[in-house]
Amino acid sequence: DTGVSQDPRHKITKRGQNVTFRCDPISEHNRLYWYRQTLGQGPEFLTYFQNEAQLEKSRLLSDRFSAERPKGSFSTLEIQRTEQGDSAMYLCASNDPVNTGELFFGEGSRLTVL
Amino acid sequence: GQSLEQPSEVTAVEGAIVQINCTYQTSGFYGLSWYQQHDGGAPTFLSYNALDGLEETGRFSSFLSRSDSYGYLLLQELQMKDSASYFCASPRSNDYKLSFGAGTTVTVRA
Repeated sequence: DTGVSQDPRHKITKRGQNVTFRCDPISEHNRLYWYRQTLGQGPEFLTYFQNEAQLEKSRLLSDRFSAERPKGSFSTLEIQRTEQGDSAMYLCASNDPVNTGELFFGEGSRLTVL
Repeated sequence: GQSLEQPSEVTAVEGAIVQINCTYQTSGFYGLSWYQQHDGGAPTFLSYNALDGLEETGRFSSFLSRSDSYGYLLLQELQMKDSASYFCASPRSNDYKLSFGAGTTVTVRA
């Protein structure tokens, strides 16, 4: 068990560029979540997968955001035409439904849009 | 939806006891979780209360009162390494899509 890993850890981009983040969950976890966290706030739910199926998307996830989990293992979160308001920490988490209430978070991908 | 309120910051000395309260308003309630997050780090799970009462895990305990829509995290024998942000969180359904409070920054002084 190597934990949830995210890549890259830091990304600086110019407004209007596209960025993609990758998350590798704990291997036996079939649920994967994306959250966004800004300074001084708690994480906000963005979207969630069970295996390869994307089951819910938050209203926070505009049409510039897309997430995939093609084989039910790793996931990607792409932001197109980035805006300065997209600057945040993007956190991935995974969950084993047997472990009630516990999400295992990665250390996040910090995005800075200039 | 879910709304969770907690104090923004608490300062205490090493060895002290700190209680972080969390009040919630939810359209459906599936329990209350607590997470710890150090600066630049990942949120890490501390505890989960699905039922009323006290759950104890080492120096940390968590309490829930569903009738009062209230819970707390109790940190005992504070250590410098306990300086971090603490979040209460509640699943919006049994899919564990968590809604988080804004967090309480705990600062432990020598």
